[in-house]
Amino acid sequence: DAGVTQSPTHLIKTRGQHVTLRCSPISGHKSVSWYQQVLGQGPQFIFQYYEKEERGRGNFPDRFSARQFPNYSSELNVNALLLGDSALYLCASSPGSGGGTEAFFGQGTRLTVV
Amino acid sequence: GEDVEQSLFLSVREGDSSVINCTYTDSSSTYLYWYKQEPGAGLQLLTYIFSNMDMKQDQRLTVLLNKKDKHLSLRIADTQTGDSAIYFCAENTGGSYIPTFGRGTSLIVHP
Repeated sequence: DAGVTQSPTHLIKTRGQHVTLRCSPISGHKSVSWYQQVLGQGPQFIFQYYEKEERGRGNFPDRFSARQFPNYSSELNVNALLLGDSALYLCASSPGSGGGTEAFFGQGTRLTVV
Repeated sequence: GEDVEQSLFLSVREGDSSVINCTYTDSSSTYLYWYKQEPGAGLQLLTYIFSNMDMKQDQRLTVLLNKKDKHLSLRIADTQTGDSAIYFCAENTGGSYIPTFGRGTSLIVHP
């Protein structure tokens, strides 16, 4: 079975540009979460979606947005990119949205803003 | 201060036991997790423990939880070179899966 797939794997953007990152969850999983991992830090929660509805949002500016599609795949959009947005963006899928759920992470998208 | 704290580095000899420690601040934490991240990879859930438990064992892994001191540890028995990675402690409060991660402990296993 395919795991969580993220695309692209690497991306270089210029300050001020917009970026869209994509995530396909494991088949049957209805929840997708997004995390930002800056080098040397732990992942920081950005969004959780369950059944196409936003279930949680971390402390990120409105430049960050996301959505979940009917097939449960998800996109993370970041507008007006800043140098500080350079990070590994991780997507996690899980069957449910509860605390005891086992989340499976993708390999991540490495975003570099220059 | 940070919600979840971990020491940054741990170096052990192959075959020895490794103990990675973590402290957290939220007394209402319900789930506590250990994740492993290898270079260039995403996170792999190793194990998790519910807050009403004090110990969980899974093959070479033993998790100990001291809820009074808000201290969590991960013991890896017979540590192998393949265990070299960054280990993240995370805590979750409430019904939704929105964990708070520590900065990670880099485990280095040398022959």
